[in-house]
Amino acid sequence: EAQVTQNPRYLITVTGKKLTVTCSQNMNHEYMSWYRQDPGLGLRQIYYSMNVEVTDKGDVPEGYKVSRKEKRNFPLILESPSPNQTSLYFCASSSGWEEETQYFGPGTRLLVL
Amino acid sequence: AQTVTQSQPEMSVQEAETVTLSCTYDTSESDYYLFWYKQPPSRQMILVIRQEAYKQQNATENRFSVNFQKAAKSFSLKISDSQLGDAAMYFCAYGHMEYGNKLVFGAGTILRVKS
Repeated sequence: EAQVTQNPRYLITVTGKKLTVTCSQNMNHEYMSWYRQDPGLGLRQIYYSMNVEVTDKGDVPEGYKVSRKEKRNFPLILESPSPNQTSLYFCASSSGWEEETQYFGPGTRLLVL
Repeated sequence: AQTVTQSQPEMSVQEAETVTLSCTYDTSESDYYLFWYKQPPSRQMILVIRQEAYKQQNATENRFSVNFQKAAKSFSLKISDSQLGDAAMYFCAYGHMEYGNKLVFGAGTILRVKS
């Protein structure tokens, strides 16, 4: 089954404790992105990757890091989480230039105390 | 910068009736894509319908159809024969490959379906 998976689905942590949210897709997609969803703001792009070892900032990159060492994986790293990073996070992927449709993972709900 | 506006924070519809969700967007591009995503209580983002800007014909998917007015930069979603399972948050989104395949989302519209 074609899908985007994220882990963990729920996470409660404390300020300053580094964490990683994993994302994996099995569709051989070139493009992968991370979004955060906040009430009244919809989803906003954090980082994106157009291919292995190619990443760039989205609209709200502050406080986040990403890496793309393999085509299928695109982890999101919070080196020192803060309460304002409490949010619902989505990973998404798409095939590239001929296909704009993005397929989303199930979401990760993060609470930073 | 591209922006997407959904002016209806909440909408209600009676089961089996028709409802239209509004979306307007701002862009200087001529070739782009527009989407409606559904987010049920499970929080999963589900693609409802997609429209290519270069196509004049409005997209349809079963009970879901759009009214795409390119000059007016309007992209509304019509849900016919509404069902209880249609209750969800609906997001309108704009996409353009040149911007890192970023989707720009509206704030969302909560749709409630009454039985």
